[in-house]
Amino acid sequence: QVQLVESGGGVVQPGRSLRLSCAASGFTFSSDGMHWVRQAPGKGLEWLAVISYDGNNKYYADSVKGRFIISRDNSKNTLYLQMNSLRAEDTAVYYCAKDNSFWGSYTVYWGQGTLVTVSS
Amino acid sequence: DIQMTQSPSSLSASVGDRVTITCRASQDISNYLAWFQQKPGKAPKSLIYAASSLQSGVPSKFSGSGSGTDFTLTISSLRPEDFATYYCQQYNSYPVTFGGGTKVEIK
Repeated sequence: QVQLVESGGGVVQPGRSLRLSCAASGFTFSSDGMHWVRQAPGKGLEWLAVISYDGNNKYYADSVKGRFIISRDNSKNTLYLQMNSLRAEDTAVYYCAKDNSFWGSYTVYWGQGTLVTVSS
Repeated sequence: DIQMTQSPSSLSASVGDRVTITCRASQDISNYLAWFQQKPGKAPKSLIYAASSLQSGVPSKFSGSGSGTDFTLTISSLRPEDFATYYCQQYNSYPVTFGGGTKVEIK
């Protein structure tokens, strides 16, 4: 069965960086697009970024464009989110999610999430 | 960006009730709409995709309809395990956007 396990969350000071990872199993990782979505405490879902199956296409939400970088290593079945210049408003649970296709579909499966807290 | 407006933001219902949640897109998204269920402390779970297709393993009491800009999620005969927050998602174009959520609570 599809399994997505996020890691790398924690407490970080404003302005610092953090890299999240998402280990995938149970499907052919190199065939599917992948997303990052976050949820601030008590708030709704906010989509952040998508990467195509081969890593050649990426798209970002305006709220993180220029600060966050999505990437993947298909040899390791792992998705990444490099988060730079972190702000208090980036505090959230971060989910990775599998696209239903190689690109441009919905988020069919989700990981359990990892909490990022940006605070001094 | 395409704005997704869900209504109501919350509702109270009883076990056995039929519930309908509405999602409106700010522009035509054809049928590129998905619905998700989220329980407290858990990840969202896919229920419906392509506006009306049931995700594998999801009970048939969940149904979706609509196209263009107006969509609905219907839950027939609410059970205790159905009390959760529901979100719509458009994937017609990037950025993907979500509705604000509808919290279904026990009356």
